[in-house]
Amino acid sequence: DAGITQSPRHKVTETGTPVTLRCHQTENHRYMYWYRQDPGHGLRLIHYSYGVKDTDKGEVSDGYSVSRSKTEDFLLTLESATSSQTSVYFCAISATGGNNQPQHFGDGTRLSIL
Amino acid sequence: SQKIEQNSEALNIQEGKTATLTCNYTNYSPAYLQWYRQDPGRGPVFLLLIRENEKEKRKERLKVTFDTTLKQSLFHITASQPADSATYLCAPDSGNTPLVFGKGTRLSVIA
Repeated sequence: DAGITQSPRHKVTETGTPVTLRCHQTENHRYMYWYRQDPGHGLRLIHYSYGVKDTDKGEVSDGYSVSRSKTEDFLLTLESATSSQTSVYFCAISATGGNNQPQHFGDGTRLSIL
Repeated sequence: SQKIEQNSEALNIQEGKTATLTCNYTNYSPAYLQWYRQDPGRGPVFLLLIRENEKEKRKERLKVTFDTTLKQSLFHITASQPADSATYLCAPDSGNTPLVFGKGTRLSVIA
């Protein structure tokens, strides 16, 4: 299995609080991704990174920011969490972006915002 | 806008039968198409990738077809087993942008 660790695995927090999710990889892959998965919507891309300090927005980026200061770590921050951000968040990695490279996923963070 | 449709949210079949899942896409010209499996509480796991010039690809009991004229991929599981029960996701791959996934089909294989 690809070495991807997401932390925390579960979190419950209150509306308006900041939340940071961490994705750590040991594969030295260039690309890292954050998705959210919700019933009826499937997996939706939030942000992705194509190198240290290089990031871009995905389909549902509003309300989220990311940072990548090291190859192995990709952080997702909810500056002021809202109930609509309750979801399961998945991190994924790939050696290159698209171009027939499979993505490898972590096991997710279940985030509940009350 | 780009759209991916997986034929049904849920599919129930008897053990031993062949399961066929459909992935249709519009406003795409993917050079590849990827299939993933997702078990409850886990992240998706890559299964197969098929290229646009490959009509069919096989891996053990899995078979994937890719018809760029119909803009469709079919995913077959032969001799299905209860352990094949999972959600299966397709992802057309244009090669130069992040993958976009279909919503998935939840397969239940009944013993």
